[in-house]
Amino acid sequence: AQKITQTQPGMFVQEKEAVTLDCTYDTSDQSYGLFWYKQPSSGEMIFLIYQGSYDEQNATEGRYSLNFQKARKSANLVISASQLGDSAMYFCAMMDASGNTPLVFGKGTRLSVIA
Amino acid sequence: NAGVTQTPKFRILKIGQSMTLQCTQDMNHNYMYWYRQDPGMGLKLIYYSVGAGITDKGEVPNGYNVSRSTTEDFPLRLELAAPSQTSVYFCASSLTRDYNEQFFGPGTRLTVL
Repeated sequence: AQKITQTQPGMFVQEKEAVTLDCTYDTSDQSYGLFWYKQPSSGEMIFLIYQGSYDEQNATEGRYSLNFQKARKSANLVISASQLGDSAMYFCAMMDASGNTPLVFGKGTRLSVIA
Repeated sequence: NAGVTQTPKFRILKIGQSMTLQCTQDMNHNYMYWYRQDPGMGLKLIYYSVGAGITDKGEVPNGYNVSRSTTEDFPLRLELAAPSQTSVYFCASSLTRDYNEQFFGPGTRLTVL
């Protein structure tokens, strides 16, 4: 079974600074995908970035990048140049090839950006 | 495209009542999912469907039922509501299962008293 661990319940970052949100995962599959979602206070889930286990390059999407370290089973999200609108809950999730649980989520990290 | 729509947005139920949470997507996605999110927690999968007529249990299926008679619709049924089912329910869809972005609906906030 897969498991996602996010050890930071809450983080604070100064506006315009970079911040790293930690995510470690556990799976016995060789082929899997890792996702990050943002959930603002309004409640919707917004897809941010995806990393495949066989991708050689770290994924990047605008100000978001994923620091993927396969040997350590970590998939940390890096947000550069934080903005006040980045304040939200952030969820790491994974999907493996078993087909039994298509997407497994961590408990999330609440990010607060300070002006 | 409206994407994934869910109704209602909010609902309060009494213990033992029944209701159906509606979910519709207009993206012709094969895969649809129901999650629940308890306060301060991540999402847990209740049921999912890989296409019309095919459904399967997720991590927390007890107390729920689903059906998938069309590609567009994936309703979630609560037969005998319990306080433990107080949660926010998200419906999602994806084109395929494999490493595709899941599109989420806005959620239904359900309280069982």
